[in-house]
Amino acid sequence: GESVGLHLPTLSVQEGDNSIINCAYSNSASDYFIWYKQESGKGPQFIIDIRSNMDKRQGQRVTVLLNKTVKHLSLQIAATQPGDSAVYFCAENSGGSNYKLTFGKGTLLTVNP
Amino acid sequence: NAGVMQNPRHLVRRRGQEARLRCSPMKGHSHVYWYRQLPEEGLKFMVYLQKENIIDESGMPKERFSAEFPKEGPSILRIQQVVRGDSAAYFCASHPAERFPGTDTQYFGPGTRLTVL
Repeated sequence: GESVGLHLPTLSVQEGDNSIINCAYSNSASDYFIWYKQESGKGPQFIIDIRSNMDKRQGQRVTVLLNKTVKHLSLQIAATQPGDSAVYFCAENSGGSNYKLTFGKGTLLTVNP
Repeated sequence: NAGVMQNPRHLVRRRGQEARLRCSPMKGHSHVYWYRQLPEEGLKFMVYLQKENIIDESGMPKERFSAEFPKEGPSILRIQQVVRGDSAAYFCASHPAERFPGTDTQYFGPGTRLTVL
């Protein structure tokens, strides 16, 4: 079946280090990908998105890389801060007129001061 | 511009009761989605609605669950005769009608945490 999944369920980093969170997807028809951050007790918060016609997109301290050949997505967070501690989800949309998102299970990022 | 609003934030029901969850999308957004999240899991799509129309309900259980998005007022997710397995966080998301770069993003509300005793 089509799915989006994450390689690592947990990631612990030191404050100031760079973090990399990975995601694999299996639907080759997916044309839009989003990373969300979810803090405890809150709804998912949009971080960055990328379309399938791009390989890389940068935001403020975050970069998303898309490798369509191996169906792999990654989120890089530069100079990780304690406030970055949260669960990170990748989500994909397979295009067409239905915008529903398929989410991965999530990676818990813990930033140690 | 207010974000997506959901209420109540927490809802406790006993088995067999009804649960009603409400969602007001962002201003100008006419597409609403409901997702369910079990502890330590990702969000699972339930239903996609536009004003007065259910577009896709493939993720919603066939019995006891229903959703609506009337012409006026919030979207409602209704769960009848709740069971313990319905305990979860329910999130609503919205996005604008048009699909062009920058508008595909779904914006999520804070969620309603349903606990069934």
